[in-house]
Amino acid sequence: GAVVSQHPSRVICKSGTSVKIECRSLDFQATTMFWYRQFPKQSLMLMATSNEGSKATYEQGVEKDKFLINHASLTLSTLTVTSAHPEDSSFYICSAPGDSQETQYFGPGTRLLVL
Amino acid sequence: GQNIDQPTEMTATEGAIVQINCTYQTSGFNGLFWYQQHAGEAPTFLSYNVLDGLEEKGRFSSFLSRSKGYSYLLLKELQMKDSASYLCAVRDGGYQKVTFGTGTKLQVIP
Repeated sequence: GAVVSQHPSRVICKSGTSVKIECRSLDFQATTMFWYRQFPKQSLMLMATSNEGSKATYEQGVEKDKFLINHASLTLSTLTVTSAHPEDSSFYICSAPGDSQETQYFGPGTRLLVL
Repeated sequence: GQNIDQPTEMTATEGAIVQINCTYQTSGFNGLFWYQQHAGEAPTFLSYNVLDGLEEKGRFSSFLSRSKGYSYLLLKELQMKDSASYLCAVRDGGYQKVTFGTGTKLQVIP
């Protein structure tokens, strides 16, 4: 079946640095990908919709200048957390819709810890 | 906007049946999902409802009433491994994006 990968699976960085997270669709093309963030004991919160070849659409309250999204190809979307702070520490998950209405493929997630 | 509510926590006994409710108020609707999520892992797909009624899949069933903005996930013959968070999620009408509810943490006890 279709697979979505994320890299890295876990990252620790210093406050003030930038971190890039990659989301790849391995055997299918994804013109749209979604980025979610999940804090401990909370549900997934949609951050933005990544669109291949155009600007991402951000959800209300998500800073577009802090969370840079690039969807340069049909199989890759990247999320860059710029000037990371400890409060950005979270579990970041991407997903891509499949070719049927009920299909949504999730990546395994990236755990970010900002010290 | 989107508003999707679930009970925060539930406890049930091994072998029993548990029903997890989800109510939603969304600007658009193009299907409702149920996912299971274990701590530290990505969600795994359980069910999808787009029409009213009950969808049964083994020990898991999901019900949808679009007019009431209501769904439930029914888990039968509970097993200890069913202890997890269960997430209700609604697909937006026009943009494919899926918005998640608050999630329900289910604990199955012996």
